[in-house]
Amino acid sequence: GAVVSQHPSWVICKSGTSVKIECRSLDFQATTMFWYRQFPKQSLMLMATSNEGSKATYEQGVEKDKFLINHASLTLSTLTVTSAHPEDSSFYICSARLRGSNQPQHFGDGTRLSIL
Amino acid sequence: KNQVEQSPQSLIILEGKNCTLQCNYTVSPFSNLRWYKQDTGRGPVSLTIMTFSENTKSNGRYTATLDADTKQSSLHITASQLSDSASYICVVSRRGLRFGAGTRLTVKP
Repeated sequence: GAVVSQHPSWVICKSGTSVKIECRSLDFQATTMFWYRQFPKQSLMLMATSNEGSKATYEQGVEKDKFLINHASLTLSTLTVTSAHPEDSSFYICSARLRGSNQPQHFGDGTRLSIL
Repeated sequence: KNQVEQSPQSLIILEGKNCTLQCNYTVSPFSNLRWYKQDTGRGPVSLTIMTFSENTKSNGRYTATLDADTKQSSLHITASQLSDSASYICVVSRRGLRFGAGTRLTVKP
């Protein structure tokens, strides 16, 4: 159980394009979803936390107008990288959690984003 | 300074050998401490979870230990296999997750 699916797993696009990444909890209802970014040989860095039906909470230094997060249902959150540039190229990972801060986070398999 | 420090940064061992990865943390107290395995290009997968009061937890060939006095945790891998090649991440949970930078383990035949 507790499967989190991310789509797409890999995307290559031109600079200036907007890219949408989906994160779905397949067998449980995720009241909270998290979006992370991971650069090569570095640890995961939390970008934002989203609660179903509420606006996302962004970490310091993360531009909310550039990284749009929607968490409209208990099984789906989306991250849209608007007007992506080469410096946005990274590995984006989502995780999902049941209600309660002590519940474990279940991670998706990530999305490799490459901006040309 | 990172609240979760891992060592070594990378490690190469021969198949069948044992190894121990270290995690030093400053987050205290905490809800739980987890070790994750992350294969290249994949998301992290939980190996073990320990609460503040636990000392050891095993999952097959993986054994995690926790010393709350010295604020150290270790992950011991027994009889390593080629498929153990991955990054191993120590994560401390306290009002959110604090990630270590990971240890990159390579198991060679």
